[in-house]
Amino acid sequence: DQQVKQNSPSLSVQEGRISILNCDYTNSMFDYFLWYKKYPAEGPTFLISISSIKDKNEDGRFTVFLNKSAKHLSLHIVPSQPGDSAVYFCAASANDYKLSFGAGTTVTVRA
Amino acid sequence: DGGITQSPKYLFRKEGQNVTLSCEQNLNHDAMYWYRQDPGQGLRLIYYSQIVNDFQKGDIAEGYSVSREKKESFPLTVTSAQKNPTAFYLCASSHPGQGAFGNTIYFGEGSWLTVV
Repeated sequence: DQQVKQNSPSLSVQEGRISILNCDYTNSMFDYFLWYKKYPAEGPTFLISISSIKDKNEDGRFTVFLNKSAKHLSLHIVPSQPGDSAVYFCAASANDYKLSFGAGTTVTVRA
Repeated sequence: DGGITQSPKYLFRKEGQNVTLSCEQNLNHDAMYWYRQDPGQGLRLIYYSQIVNDFQKGDIAEGYSVSREKKESFPLTVTSAQKNPTAFYLCASSHPGQGAFGNTIYFGEGSWLTVV
């Protein structure tokens, strides 16, 4: 049973424009959410996180928004750059040691 | 440099063989994890360990075994009982309590296992 869902397997965006990645979850016990970026044949790298007491967290070009009532979070990348082309994973935890991951969204930034 | 080292990067296994993937971290993290990624899918948790000499099954532990004899090391053995072992394996670690909330885990570079 997939508790974290990324329904868009891919996203193509022009360089300089905004990339918006979406993530939905079903477990109401999740209270900490993370985004990871992954290049082919490499391990994921941590990008940004948000706890359930916040609805927004910003770090440079990356902003994560959390809508707890809708069980939805999104990652905004502004402006998108060619180096942002990668697979992005949404993950969530329920204040324990385990993270549940979505299936990932492949972002392609076009020049 | 601090980090998580996985070896080997590429490994080929014959049918019926057990193989062991190594994972070492020098981040002084208490918790360590093994995840598996299949093409087009997310990461699925195999095993995790919160502390030395203790570990728990994740979502897909069947056909795998682990040990945690040292804080720095968390090897994963893929046994012959694992029917579909070809995948990308990721080791990770975390230091619970880092930050105000939540548990951010950090990954190694991964190991490709192929059954031949």
